[in-house]
Amino acid sequence: GENVEQHPSTLSVQEGDSAVIKCTYSDSASNYFPWYKQELGKRPQLIIDIRSNVGEKKDQRIAVTLNKTAKHFSLHITETQPEDSAVYFCAASKDRNQGGKLIFGQGTELSVKP
Amino acid sequence: SAVISQKPSRDICQRGTSLTIQCQVDSQVTMMFWYRQQPGQSLTLIATANQGSEATYESGFVIDKFPISRPNLTFSTLTVSNMSPEDSSIYLCTSRPQLNTEAFFGQGTRLTVV
Repeated sequence: GENVEQHPSTLSVQEGDSAVIKCTYSDSASNYFPWYKQELGKRPQLIIDIRSNVGEKKDQRIAVTLNKTAKHFSLHITETQPEDSAVYFCAASKDRNQGGKLIFGQGTELSVKP
Repeated sequence: SAVISQKPSRDICQRGTSLTIQCQVDSQVTMMFWYRQQPGQSLTLIATANQGSEATYESGFVIDKFPISRPNLTFSTLTVSNMSPEDSSIYLCTSRPQLNTEAFFGQGTRLTVV
């Protein structure tokens, strides 16, 4: 089955710097790749997602890139702010005629220091 | 979008007992998914619950330990049976109402087994 590896497990940056989190997946049939942010004690919230027919997607300070050949995708956060501090999870799914199960990476704890 | 109501939000249970967690979705969905998130860890898929058929369990999870019901397209339950302290975790239900869309999470159930 699908396996998603995520790195790094922890990341500390200064406010205003950029942060990059990387994930690799094993199943070449996976076609949907979301990123979730989880604050302490709360449920995960989607921050951005990308589908396999797109190489890059951007939403304000957040961007995701996908390399299908290498089977990896990355989250880029620019101009980081203290409120970006949280745990971030990548995930992969094989969607056919309906939404499939999401397999999550191990998570990255991002700390943005003011 | 979808709103998922999950209950209970937390419980403290004695070892050897069972707890049933309920999830109600505000729209009809074909599949619902149950995850476990141990402290400081990622989300691990327990099983996929389809309406009208047996749940599909991931490796390491069995029906006798985690029986699932899916009586209709808006509701599902997960039972944690014969609990031990190792079952202490957060349990989350999710659904993906449409193809290539985000997963919506219930609030989570924080289970402590003593």
